[in-house]
Amino acid sequence: SYELTQPPSVSVSPGQTASITCSGDKLGDKYSAWYQQKPGQSPVLVIYHDRKRPSGIPERFSGSNSGNTATLTISGTQALDEADYYCQAWDISTALEVFGGGTKLTVL
Amino acid sequence: EVQLVESGGGVVQPGGSLRLSCAASGFTFSNYGMHWVRQAPGKGLEYVSGIDSNGDSTYYANSVKGRFTISRDNSKNTLYLQMDSLRVEDMAVYYCARGDTALVHQNYFDYWGQGSLVTVSS
Repeated sequence: SYELTQPPSVSVSPGQTASITCSGDKLGDKYSAWYQQKPGQSPVLVIYHDRKRPSGIPERFSGSNSGNTATLTISGTQALDEADYYCQAWDISTALEVFGGGTKLTVL
Repeated sequence: EVQLVESGGGVVQPGGSLRLSCAASGFTFSNYGMHWVRQAPGKGLEYVSGIDSNGDSTYYANSVKGRFTISRDNSKNTLYLQMDSLRVEDMAVYYCARGDTALVHQNYFDYWGQGSLVTVSS
C-alpha cells in the first residue's frame, strides 16, 4: 500500500519560515493536500491541489509538490500556527485516500 | 454555512455494533461524495470509507472491509457508517468529511464534522 512519510516534529521561531515535508513514491504525479489540526479540534484544510489555498487561509501558507516530496511552507510563522499538520494524497493502487503520519509544529 | 454534525458514538463491547450518522446542511448534499476518517487517541488520521454522491460506489480501508458499511440518504441529507464486529483497535474519534467532488476518488476534504467518539471496551 502507498505510504506518505512526514517528520514527527518541526520547530520554528516566531516570524521565521517553517517547512514540513511529505514523502511518497512519485508523489509529484499526484495531487496533495494539507490539513491543520489543533488540540481538541477537527482538521482544517489549508492547502489543496498541491498549492491552492481555500478561502480564509492566510497567504503565509503555501505548498509545492515535485518528484517524491510535497512541502507545506509557513512564512512568518505565528504562535497560532502551532498545530499538527497532515498531508494527504490518493493511492491509485487501492483507490483510497492516504494520510501521512502527521507533523507536530512547535513555535518557540 | 456548511455544517456536518456527527452522532451515534458511544461505548460498545468488542464484537458489538454501532451506527454513526452525519447530518449535513448548508450545501446540496446530493452533489458531493462523502467520507469517514478516524483518529485513534493520540494518533494520526486514518481514512476509513467513502461513498460517491448518489451512493453507487463505496470504498473501504482494508482494516474495516467486511465489518463496516457506509451509506447515505440524500432525501435526509445524512451519511451513515454501520460498524459491526467492533474491535478494540476501532476505538477512535470518527469524523465525517465532505469530498470536493461527486466522485469517491481523488478527493480532498474541504469540510469536517466535529467528530464522534467510539469507545470499544469490555
